[in-house]
Amino acid sequence: DIQMTQSPSSLSASVGDRVTISCRASQSVYSYLSWYQQKPGKAPKLLIHAASALEVGVPPRFSGSGFGTDFTLTISSLQPEDFATYFCQQSYSAWTFGQGTKVEI
Amino acid sequence: EVRLVESGGSSVQPGGSLRLSCAASGFTFSSYSMSWVRQAPGKGLEWVSYISGGGDTTYYADSVKGRFTISGDSAKKSLSLQMNSLRDEDTAVYYCVRVASGSFRYFDYWGLGTLVIVSS
Repeated sequence: DIQMTQSPSSLSASVGDRVTISCRASQSVYSYLSWYQQKPGKAPKLLIHAASALEVGVPPRFSGSGFGTDFTLTISSLQPEDFATYFCQQSYSAWTFGQGTKVEI
Repeated sequence: EVRLVESGGSSVQPGGSLRLSCAASGFTFSSYSMSWVRQAPGKGLEWVSYISGGGDTTYYADSVKGRFTISGDSAKKSLSLQMNSLRDEDTAVYYCVRVASGSFRYFDYWGLGTLVIVSS
């Protein structure tokens, strides 16, 4: 099974900060990497697929990069509505998620 | 508008059974693969099961293999998850998700979830 490891597990940031979340796969997943945002009590929401393809309607301050085993989600200027937990997911072999990164004030 | 609405979650004793359902609308159900994903209280996301659009291919996480069965009904536009021999560790919110078309197989739409509690 492919394991996904995110770092950090949590981070504190302020509005306007640039935030970077890392995700590492235990073996290559090529570009089969997605990012989801989850707010408390809500279902996850797809932000990015294929490592860097932004979903329609997702603000361009979100971006994804990487290939193979190392991936990054960047929020260029954190907004109040971005405080949430973010998960990476590989879909190359079955599906596994990272443990999540909580972005808080 | 794509909508996925889960139902069937409740409290059950260990060893018991439960059947979850997901009503889909806003898209051609038979053209999409579907999955179930769960989230234990305060924990991360775990993929549970997958079914292809035609219903001929299914996959299960090792943690539920042999105990859970996924099925789909194109006529009713409905997805189901039959859960038997339930364990404490199956306690979670269960989400019905649509698998995006194409090769990347990410989860593009999620339901609101239904809560399953396994406890004596």
